[in-house]
Amino acid sequence: GENVEQHPSTLSVQEGDSAVIKCTYSDSASNYFPWYKQELGKRPQLIIDIRSNVGEKKDQRIAVTLNKTAKHFSLHITETQPEDSAVYFCAGGAGRRALTFGSGTRLQVQP
Amino acid sequence: KAGVTQTPRYLIKTRGQQVTLSCSPISGHRSVSWYQQTPGQGLQFLFEYFSETQRNKGNFPGRFSGRQFSNSRSEMNVSTLELGDSALYLCASSLAGVGATEAFFGQGTRLTVV
Repeated sequence: GENVEQHPSTLSVQEGDSAVIKCTYSDSASNYFPWYKQELGKRPQLIIDIRSNVGEKKDQRIAVTLNKTAKHFSLHITETQPEDSAVYFCAGGAGRRALTFGSGTRLQVQP
Repeated sequence: KAGVTQTPRYLIKTRGQQVTLSCSPISGHRSVSWYQQTPGQGLQFLFEYFSETQRNKGNFPGRFSGRQFSNSRSEMNVSTLELGDSALYLCASSLAGVGATEAFFGQGTRLTVV
């Protein structure tokens, strides 16, 4: 089955700096890669996703890149703000297989 | 439209007991997945149901089981509870068309085993 590895497990940045979280996957059949943000005490919510026919996708301060050959994808957050502090999960999926999640990254943005 | 609803929100059980958790998906969603979330362990996949059939299963012991009803609502059951079963249990629903799609999570049920 699919195995998704995520790092770092914790990340601390200064407000205004950029943050990068990286994930690797094992199953070459995976073709859908969402990123979820989970604030303290809340449910995970989708913030951005990418499909394997696209190499990069942006949404305001958030971008995701995908390298199919190397089987890794990354989340980039620019101009970080305190409200970006949360746990971020990457995931990989394909067809009718349930999403496999990474172990999460706790991002702390220092004001 | 209503989101994914999980009940109850909180549960306290004693070791050896059993528990049933419920998940109502978004209307029209036929796939329901269950995840266990513990500090430092991320989201561990339990199982996925689609049209009342278990389609995928994670690496959990047989004490963890589930089912899905004709209206797509799903229940998860844990028998002979252990202290290590204390966790936040999240369910997620999706359209489950061809090709993986976004999963929408419920608020979760926090289970504490004492």
